[in-house]
Amino acid sequence: QSVLTQTPSGSGTPGQRVTISCSGSSSNIGSNAVNWYQQLTGTAPKLLIYRNNQRPSGVPDRFSGSKSGTSASLAISGLQSEDEADYYCAAWDDSLNGCVFGTGTKVTVL
Amino acid sequence: QLQLQESGPGLVKPSETLSLTCTVSGGSVSSTSYYWGWIRQPPGKGLEWIGSIYYTGSTFYNPSLKSRLTISVDTSKNHFSLRLSSVTAADTAVYYCTRLEYSGGWYPGYWGQGTLVTLSS
Repeated sequence: QSVLTQTPSGSGTPGQRVTISCSGSSSNIGSNAVNWYQQLTGTAPKLLIYRNNQRPSGVPDRFSGSKSGTSASLAISGLQSEDEADYYCAAWDDSLNGCVFGTGTKVTVL
Repeated sequence: QLQLQESGPGLVKPSETLSLTCTVSGGSVSSTSYYWGWIRQPPGKGLEWIGSIYYTGSTFYNPSLKSRLTISVDTSKNHFSLRLSSVTAADTAVYYCTRLEYSGGWYPGYWGQGTLVTLSS
């Protein structure tokens, strides 16, 4: 049962910019940082963005994150074919005392 | 380099108990800086947080699974485990073990490769 709401899908041609949104509530995004994960087909999710806008070592700078109030977004600029994947937002929820995830967004590179 | 490896039966009968272990290498479950957790993903669906544990044994469980769930840690073997009782077809999923880190909130930083558990009589 996903607590965070994401746009189901997004697409673009190589080189374009794609933005994914994530909406939550005061107990999760409103109180804690947002993290983003990329899941390629058949593989485990990989951390893409942590603490709203921080990239782990090795993540290209064309991935960027932002947060405002109870919403967040992930932007992929200069879209590449290898970016075709499912993307999930996540945040700690103070009411659940657990991590809540978004519904997921499938990004297609046309 | 931290590695997490799930292990356990890939096939479980309905009403029985699902048991998985996550072996940690390149790091220690006794670290005071991390929680260790389980997340699952039914085929074709999204991610669901199951629960997490600290090296002291302190746990957080998903309320929807709490009555059937036990997560434990064995610091001597550097692993932690999941037991989910009275399983049904709805528990068929890829189960991931993770290391939770803190930066503005706890989040799964490292993930195991996942193991598929299927319910079948």
